[in-house]
Amino acid sequence: NAGVTQTPKFRILKIGQSMTLQCTQDMNHNYMYWYRQDPGMGLKLIYYSVGAGITDKGEVPNGYNVSRSTTEDFPLRLELAAPSQTSVYFCASSGTDSQPQHFGDGTRLSIL
Amino acid sequence: GQNIDQPTEMTATEGAIVQINCTYQTSGFNGLFWYQQHAGEAPTFLSYNVLDGLEEKGRFSSFLSRSKGYSYLLLKELQMKDSASYLCAVMDSNYQLIWGAGTKLIIKP
Repeated sequence: NAGVTQTPKFRILKIGQSMTLQCTQDMNHNYMYWYRQDPGMGLKLIYYSVGAGITDKGEVPNGYNVSRSTTEDFPLRLELAAPSQTSVYFCASSGTDSQPQHFGDGTRLSIL
Repeated sequence: GQNIDQPTEMTATEGAIVQINCTYQTSGFNGLFWYQQHAGEAPTFLSYNVLDGLEEKGRFSSFLSRSKGYSYLLLKELQMKDSASYLCAVMDSNYQLIWGAGTKLIIKP
């Protein structure tokens, strides 16, 4: 079972560049989430989706965009990278909104 | 605002017992989760409490008191592999998880 798969694992971007963080899950989960994790702070929700075609903002959505064209995939787009977006990004999924979330291995992103 | 508090770091000895506390103030409550996160890895689910009381799962137990806004994770018979961060997260009225910053547990031989 692959679970939640994130690519890439590491990336260095220059300020102003764009990139897409990929996330796919094979558990047929309706709910998917994007978090960022910064040192000394709790996970912060960026965007989430309750099903294909439906996305909504979380606590820290500025500078990011998402889409959910299929149940399996939930990519996160950074349009104009800024140093403040240096972080570890986790994608997660769950069957319902109250079930435990399953996490991918994370993407470590540095903006220089 | 919403707030989850847990100690930043704790140290314990192999074979001993440790209790990691979590207090919370959130807009609504739909359950409390504990996750384990080894350094450089993803969080993994440990336990879920939605009703008051103790939930036991092997060496790990989790307790909840909704009236006090309080939970703890109890780890027994500590092993070196238990060295990790332990994250407390509360599901609020919108069914979104509010996360604590985590407690780094250091196990010494």
